[in-house]
Amino acid sequence: DTAVSQTPKYLVTQMGNDKSIKCEQNLGHDTMYWYKQDSKKFLKIMFSYNNKELIINETVPNRFSPKSPDKAHLNLHINSLELGDSAVYFCASSPGGVANTGELFFGEGSRLTVL
Amino acid sequence: GDSVTQMEGPVTLSEEAFLTINCTYTATGYPSLFWYVQYPGEGLQLLLKATKADDKGSNKGFEATYRKETTSFHLEKGSVQVSDSAVYFCALSRTGFQKLVFGTGTRLLVSP
Repeated sequence: DTAVSQTPKYLVTQMGNDKSIKCEQNLGHDTMYWYKQDSKKFLKIMFSYNNKELIINETVPNRFSPKSPDKAHLNLHINSLELGDSAVYFCASSPGGVANTGELFFGEGSRLTVL
Repeated sequence: GDSVTQMEGPVTLSEEAFLTINCTYTATGYPSLFWYVQYPGEGLQLLLKATKADDKGSNKGFEATYRKETTSFHLEKGSVQVSDSAVYFCALSRTGFQKLVFGTGTRLLVSP
């Protein structure tokens, strides 16, 4: 049973389209994240939610809009896709509060290719 | 701001060779330090961590010691295996663990 699962794993689309990536965790964690990994493997945090509340919003274009319907889900919607959005997007989760040891649990990633 | 610097890869070794991957950090206060590993086609997973100065994290034969005086957290393994081939990320997190700041990753290639 996958702890952090993302769909789709692969996404190929045209510039200007809108797409969504979904993430679900069954670990009972309070905090969820989206990270972007570029072609050089550099990982950068985009967003973090704690119990459905946005707590980290790094400098990300507002074409990217996260949504957390409940604490087990964090989705990422991207409008007007650009070539530079091509990357692997990782969802992650961690316990909140005093249970948080700093360990993040990652999904397998969603590879987005914008043509 | 906080940052992590890792040695550039790829690091290419023969099986049973000694491994060192350098990692230094810049942060205010006393961050916690981590090594994550990413096997091909997979997400990252925690390899080891250290939360205070002079702590040594270890797992699966890998070790790293938190050196505050040199702001370093170098990863070592005495004898690498082909199955250790992966990308290794050094990371730090400050109090509250609200986010991890990652280094650029170092690819390790181990040949038989």
